[in-house]
Amino acid sequence: QVQLHQSGPGLVSPSQTLSLACAISGDSFFTDGVAWNWIRQSPSRGLEWLGRTYFRSKWYNEYAESLKSRITINPDTSKNQFSLQLNSVTPEDTAMYYCARGRYSSFDFWGQGTMVTVSS
Amino acid sequence: EIVLTQSPGTLSLSPGERATLSCRASQTITGSLLAWFQQKPGLPPRLLIYGASRRAPGIPDRFSGYGSGTDFTLTISRLEPEDFAVYYCQQFGSSPPFTFGPGTKVDIK
Repeated sequence: QVQLHQSGPGLVSPSQTLSLACAISGDSFFTDGVAWNWIRQSPSRGLEWLGRTYFRSKWYNEYAESLKSRITINPDTSKNQFSLQLNSVTPEDTAMYYCARGRYSSFDFWGQGTMVTVSS
Repeated sequence: EIVLTQSPGTLSLSPGERATLSCRASQTITGSLLAWFQQKPGLPPRLLIYGASRRAPGIPDRFSGYGSGTDFTLTISRLEPEDFAVYYCQQFGSSPPFTFGPGTKVDIK
């Protein structure tokens, strides 16, 4: 059974970097057709796809256009986990953040969620 | 970017009744790559339907999805007490971004 476990701080100061990790168990980066995603949810924005990383003979990263200048998603194959970094955060980035596996054109397994508040 | 609109915003029904939820896309979704999720308070979304009509593993057959192009529907044939939740549609088109609808809340009448 695939499980995703998120870790990282729940409070980030404005202008700082939000960093979260998602540990994968029961699967790997190299399973056919999978991609590893970050999604956030807030009352003002609803559910918002942030980006993904995946391997198809080489590594690919894709990001939401609105966040491209601030976001990085990195795989760590040695730990079987992937990370999210979002730079220069503002209170608008306050949200519940989820990692999720993408396969067969759906998000089929999700992490437990991390509530991140941007505040001084 | 494909924008998804869901209706109604809230659906008030009784257990045992049939629920019909609509999702409309601003442009054709290639390959009917549309999914439906259920979300309960404090939990992540749960995949119910993918590819417009395919039930995810473990999902009861009272949940069914259909549609193509720009119009899609999720039907719950007979509501069980555990089905009262918020439902989201999401499109997985040929390229990102993968957008979600604003949700339909199904609550107890």
